[in-house]
Amino acid sequence: DARVTQTPRHKVTEMGQEVTMRCQPILGHNTVFWYRQTMMQGLELLAYFRNRAPLDDSGMPKDRFSAEMPDATLATLKIQPSEPRDSAVYFCASGSSGNTIYFGEGSWLTVV
Amino acid sequence: QKEVEQNSGPLSVPEGAIASLNCTYSDRGSQSFFWYRQYSGKSPELIMFIYSNGDKEDGRFTAQLNKASQYVSLLIRDSQPSDSATYLCAVRGPGGNTPLVFGKGTRLSVIA
Repeated sequence: DARVTQTPRHKVTEMGQEVTMRCQPILGHNTVFWYRQTMMQGLELLAYFRNRAPLDDSGMPKDRFSAEMPDATLATLKIQPSEPRDSAVYFCASGSSGNTIYFGEGSWLTVV
Repeated sequence: QKEVEQNSGPLSVPEGAIASLNCTYSDRGSQSFFWYRQYSGKSPELIMFIYSNGDKEDGRFTAQLNKASQYVSLLIRDSQPSDSATYLCAVRGPGGNTPLVFGKGTRLSVIA
């Protein structure tokens, strides 16, 4: 059963700490998206990659967020330093040449 | 700025009734349209997508698209309590595998 895998599923951290979230896209999918979901803003695109190349990261606060795709099976999203306003659910999604994208189960982040 | 608007609800319907969920979008260049369902604490899961004006049926679900009015809807026939969830409308511009722009979702409650 092909699925997008995200770790960690839940993370509670103190303000100022570094947070790294990881995503394994569905095998064969060449496009990876990072979305953030909050009650107020809904699902917002943070960044996305195609064939490991970053295409758009305009949704990310550049001073504290970074996204990379070191290989085809791993995408990472880092927050350093983390702030309470970063508390949200971070979803990774992947897709291929077809039109559909599939979401991982999300990383639930709480920054205290 | 692409925008997707949905009534936040909650929309309450009795079991067995038809639930009608609506969505409008701002970008006339949008090419494909998606409905996702999200249960509380879970990730979005794709219900169906539509590209062409008119209706598309899949089981109890029918998506309707009117590009001239920039309007998409989802009908759920014979609504069941298990359909109670938040329904997210998403829109994509030209080209495959570009990011989806999501509405904030409509919360549906099916009353037994």
